[in-house]
Amino acid sequence: IAGITQAPTSQILAAGRRMTLRCTQDMRHNAMYWYRQDLGLGLRLIHYSNTAGTTGKGEVPDGYSVSRANTDDFPLTLASAVPSQTSVYFCASKRTGGDEQFFGPGTRLTVL
Amino acid sequence: RKEVEQDPGPFNVPEGATVAFNCTYSNSASQSFFWYRQDCRKEPKLLMSVYSSGNEDGRFTAQLNRASQYISLLIRDSKLSDSATYLCVVNIGGSSNTGKLIFGQGTTLQVKP
Repeated sequence: IAGITQAPTSQILAAGRRMTLRCTQDMRHNAMYWYRQDLGLGLRLIHYSNTAGTTGKGEVPDGYSVSRANTDDFPLTLASAVPSQTSVYFCASKRTGGDEQFFGPGTRLTVL
Repeated sequence: RKEVEQDPGPFNVPEGATVAFNCTYSNSASQSFFWYRQDCRKEPKLLMSVYSSGNEDGRFTAQLNRASQYISLLIRDSKLSDSATYLCVVNIGGSSNTGKLIFGQGTTLQVKP
């Protein structure tokens, strides 16, 4: 692995279903982030984690949960998907003391 | 009012043209500033950081005006490969792990032959 990977690349999901988006980084960055990107709204922060074992809420956390059991992985779970969660989801990471965030390739999620 | 505002464009310019984008931010406590580039259906990538003294990287020049709370990006001698969306980004928490990035919605640039 080089950088950040996300899976799946895309997914079509029925409303009400549970879904976990995966994010893994091999740069040993402490901080990780989940964003959603919607047309006309830009990137909005869903949840973040400053270090393994801690998480925090971003701008639009409702309907989403995260966990950070180790440094490398930061999964995002939709407990019961709704159509308004149709979006492109980006995971990102940042090293301690740095400003630049490195993004994964994104997951395109469609909830019907 | 959005925390970071940009003109979404699109800006359509011919090859070789000079184009400038502006961005305004509302949080006076913002500590660091960036321009990210995003190609269609791809992830954002850091283009350059923006410093108070202004900084230049090849054909790209970024400037920050803290008093007026705006950031600019100038692209000289535009290339077809410059076609992308340019995201103005503000960090309101500094370089510690608690720093959070606020993204503008992006300005789309189309460079035509």
